[in-house]
Amino acid sequence: AQRVTQPEKLLSVFKGAPVELKCNYSYSGSPELFWYVQYSRQRLQLLLRHISRESIKGFTADLNKGETSFHLKKPFAQEEDSAMYYCALIASNTGKLIFGQGTTLQVKP
Amino acid sequence: KAGVTQTPRYLIKTRGQQVTLSCSPISGHRSVSWYQQTPGQGLQFLFEYFSETQRNKGNFPGRFSGRQFSNSRSEMNVSTLELGDSALYLCASSFRSGRFGNEQFFGPGTRLTVL
Repeated sequence: AQRVTQPEKLLSVFKGAPVELKCNYSYSGSPELFWYVQYSRQRLQLLLRHISRESIKGFTADLNKGETSFHLKKPFAQEEDSAMYYCALIASNTGKLIFGQGTTLQVKP
Repeated sequence: KAGVTQTPRYLIKTRGQQVTLSCSPISGHRSVSWYQQTPGQGLQFLFEYFSETQRNKGNFPGRFSGRQFSNSRSEMNVSTLELGDSALYLCASSFRSGRFGNEQFFGPGTRLTVL
């Protein structure tokens, strides 16, 4: 079965602390993985895609096929990073995004 | 480039009624996917339309249907509304071709409340 698991509903850190939002997936095949972010009162927006191996707003995510994980990391959290983060995978050649339940990141001053 | 737009933004209906939601994709995008977002179930895939054809469908009853027009605009219809249909309905568009073709860009959503 295709599934995305984000084990933490809430992650609370202080400004300047490192952040790691966990994401594990279950998929037979080669999925495309994404991180989406939803800031307060804004629409869901794409943060990272695994095929680009890029860094956006200081966030990075590495696909680990052995551990079937795609954890999101940032070395120094900022207050403006506070938001809901969703990990998602797309089954190959479909328009179906499978989302995790989301993790609320709260960065305290 | 204009983003994905959805109308209306808010709707209040009563049980048994039907509702139609509209989504205009980003110019050039041919795929439109619909999602239901609720606090309990999170984001769940409803269906995808590509070139006016439904390509994929999630696990929702037949009361949920949709269509896509030749200009890629899409509508979603829910008939015989139930209280449990209260949710934020999101649509997303994508190219569906090319290296980044699977990236989906979301609209602001339509908040449906069923009384």
